[in-house]
Amino acid sequence: QAGLTQPPSVSKGLRQTATLTCTGNSNNVGNQGAAWLQQHQGHPPKLLSYRNNNRPSGISERLSASRSGNTASLTITGLQPEDEADYYCSAWDSSLSAQVFGGGTKLTVL
Amino acid sequence: EVQLVESGGGLVQPGRSLRLSCAASGFTFDDYAMHWVRQAPGKGLEWVSGISWNSGSIGYADSVKGRFTISRDNAKNSLYLQMNSLRAEDTALYYCAKSSAYSISAEEDYWGQGTLVTVSS
Repeated sequence: QAGLTQPPSVSKGLRQTATLTCTGNSNNVGNQGAAWLQQHQGHPPKLLSYRNNNRPSGISERLSASRSGNTASLTITGLQPEDEADYYCSAWDSSLSAQVFGGGTKLTVL
Repeated sequence: EVQLVESGGGLVQPGRSLRLSCAASGFTFDDYAMHWVRQAPGKGLEWVSGISWNSGSIGYADSVKGRFTISRDNAKNSLYLQMNSLRAEDTALYYCAKSSAYSISAEEDYWGQGTLVTVSS
């Protein structure tokens, strides 16, 4: 099953802003949007944003999600050392009747 | 507090079977769909299967269709994954995840710690 496309890595400086992207098609991201997850090494994923771009309770306001057409974005402002992690997007694909994930983006905070 | 505790992983030979379990607590289990998602060592996340709140809707990734069976017991607040005809490429950490809604098309909002399945002779 074809997955969503994410850049393998992004590097930004401390207190800078990072924007991560996730590209799909009209059957997945373009249809219902994408959720965003963060995973630190050795830990399970954690939901950062629902597909409707809302943040779960307890997630920092420094994170915001958006969508334009078939591409979803996650913007993290004021980067902190703890933001260094792997970030995944996910969406439901209505043509596959399956969930699809992006390959993940490793965010490095310099 | 939502808790999801997976069990049943281990080392198994190719072609054999394994059954994973997930014990859920801290939420009304039969209100939500549930998922299994796996992660091969050093790789990304792969959705394996999902089941709706009442087991009326079930989905599988193409890579496991016909070999894996997902099920749930709402009376026991438990989710299961029966894995048959296991292959080396099924080696992964298997996560149990709670959906944010009753439908399998909704995203996962809570994840367990995972149980490791290693398929090797």
